[in-house]
Amino acid sequence: RKEVEQDPGPFNVPEGATVAFNCTYSNSASQSFFWYRQDCRKEPKLLMSVYSSGNEDGRFTAQLNRASQYISLLIRDSKLSDSATYLCVPFTDKLIFGTGTRLQVFP
Amino acid sequence: NAGVTQTPKFQVLKTGQSMTLQCAQDMNHEYMSWYRQDPGMGLRLIHYSVGAGITDQGEVPNGYNVSRSTTEDFPLRLLSAAPSQTSVYFCASSYSRGLPSTDTQYFGPGTRLTVL
Repeated sequence: RKEVEQDPGPFNVPEGATVAFNCTYSNSASQSFFWYRQDCRKEPKLLMSVYSSGNEDGRFTAQLNRASQYISLLIRDSKLSDSATYLCVPFTDKLIFGTGTRLQVFP
Repeated sequence: NAGVTQTPKFQVLKTGQSMTLQCAQDMNHEYMSWYRQDPGMGLRLIHYSVGAGITDQGEVPNGYNVSRSTTEDFPLRLLSAAPSQTSVYFCASSYSRGLPSTDTQYFGPGTRLTVL
């Protein structure tokens, strides 16, 4: 089983839509979790950190289910500028990067 | 602050050539690391350093060397380039290695390396 599994997508959604991505991780010892955003041919940038059951930042909500070992990212009111790849990253003694879920928001 | 800088942005090598990818940060971060990113795979850790004079291997260290003589710089050396090392290389730094509250990794813009 892969350490981190994400649906690669792409998720094609219209502006204003709500979209959710799921991520499962295999190491139950993972202590904290991150969502990174990566634009095409650019470096990853931190979007959100998740330390307890969840976190919310504006239109973005991350939820953690430790019992089922999955993390989700919900994006409300999608903008064209949200088009990117979203990387799920659990942390144990190091960061483990998922392959990412690609989101394409269209007008 | 310039953040994390990497040079060169692009590089083409022939099999067997050696080269050094440069990485520097001006945020006084202790932790620095090198990742490679290949299509269909997540970023994989090559080497990392928790402070000047200290380096350790990551997930895929073979064929690469690193050193950390200063807090600011963390160069990655390819000893004898192979086509399997064609990839995008990212350098990253963070204030502290593992404390969740300070574990934000700041990535450089990447070096796109092709080995023929």
